[in-house]
Amino acid sequence: SQKIEQNSEALNIQEGKTATLTCNYTNYSPAYLQWYRQDPGRGPVFLLLIRENEKEKRKERLKVTFDTTLKQSLFHITASQPADSATYLCAPANQAGTALIFGKGTTLSVSS
Amino acid sequence: DAGVIQSPRHEVTEMGQEVTLRCKPISGHNSLFWYRQTMMRGLELLIYFNNNVPIDDSGMPEDRFSAKMPNASFSTLKIQPSEPRDSAVYFCASSLAGTRSHEQYFGPGTRLTVT
Repeated sequence: SQKIEQNSEALNIQEGKTATLTCNYTNYSPAYLQWYRQDPGRGPVFLLLIRENEKEKRKERLKVTFDTTLKQSLFHITASQPADSATYLCAPANQAGTALIFGKGTTLSVSS
Repeated sequence: DAGVIQSPRHEVTEMGQEVTLRCKPISGHNSLFWYRQTMMRGLELLIYFNNNVPIDDSGMPEDRFSAKMPNASFSTLKIQPSEPRDSAVYFCASSLAGTRSHEQYFGPGTRLTVT
């Protein structure tokens, strides 16, 4: 069955450092992969989408990579800030439609 | 735009009662999704609609769950009868299918507690 794993449920880093979150998937060949941010008590918010033919995508301090050979996506936040503290979810998606399967998420805590 | 609107925001009910959750998607969006989130299972897709038609309901846990989308601006998720294990946060999301973006916009969720 399709499986999505995100590294460690929690990640704690110091302000100013780069946070790297991992998303691995198995039994799956997604056409693209999305990353979302979720704050406590709120719904997920879309951050970035990367397609299978793209190696890397950037948006301000965010960078996403997508390695279809390793079946892995990495999500980087550079110069992290306490405001970046949240849960980050990855969601690979298939070719046929827009149905998403979400990983359980990694909770990032950035301390000042 | 007000974004995706869900009601109620909180629902507490007793086992065996019927529960109806409501969702108004973003105007112009043609895809609507119902998700359930728990600590144990994470965010799970229950059902999604394209142009008001159910496309995939394989995530609906059992016959006690049903969803409808009578028009482009309204959808309901009904649980009858409810059970304690249905306690979770239920999210509705909408998107514009057929674009390159595919991003989904989530509502604030309904926190359901079944006692």
